[in-house]
Amino acid sequence: QQQVKQSPQSLIVQKGGISIINCAYENTAFDYFPWYQQFPGKGPALLIAIRPDVSEKKEGRFTISFNKSAKQFSLHIMDSQPGDSATYFCAAGFIKAAGNKLTFGGGTRVLVKP
Amino acid sequence: NAGVTQTPKFRVLKTGQSMTLLCAQDMNHEYMYWYRQDPGMGLRLIHYSVGEGTTAKGEVPDGYNVSRLKKQNFLLGLESAAPSQTSVYFCASSYGRHTQYFGPGTRLTVL
Repeated sequence: QQQVKQSPQSLIVQKGGISIINCAYENTAFDYFPWYQQFPGKGPALLIAIRPDVSEKKEGRFTISFNKSAKQFSLHIMDSQPGDSATYFCAAGFIKAAGNKLTFGGGTRVLVKP
Repeated sequence: NAGVTQTPKFRVLKTGQSMTLLCAQDMNHEYMYWYRQDPGMGLRLIHYSVGEGTTAKGEVPDGYNVSRLKKQNFLLGLESAAPSQTSVYFCASSYGRHTQYFGPGTRLTVL
């Protein structure tokens, strides 16, 4: 049973466009929602994270929007660049629990065309 | 700092063979994790450790064993490999309840 569902599986966007990736979770006890970026042949790396007490967090061209009532959160990549071409994973976890275990979504492969 | 390193990078096994994957971190992190990555399924937690000498099961622990004899090392063992264990394996570490730092991965094929 996948507790974090991510969509779409892949998307293609033109340079300068907006990439939007959505995630939905089931467990309302989750209190930490990070996004990881993974380039081919590399391990994932933290991109940006949000706690459920805020509705939006922005870091440069990357923004997380969080809707607690709908149990959904999304990643927006503004002014997408070819260097943003990667696989993006949303995740959910319990930051107050020992172990800091994360449950990951299935991933979205983003291709930014020049 | 090397961060998180994994050995080996690639491995091909025959069904029934055994092997050990080594993860090492030089960041003095308490927590360490083993994940497997399969297409469309994201990363799934196999086992994790909250400190030297401790281990716990994750989401998909069957067929794997782990050991954390030293704080900086986390070993993942496959006693009798099966084709279903063909995957890319990632190790990660974190300092308490913060960012998880991932290694470069080990691509394992079981024939």
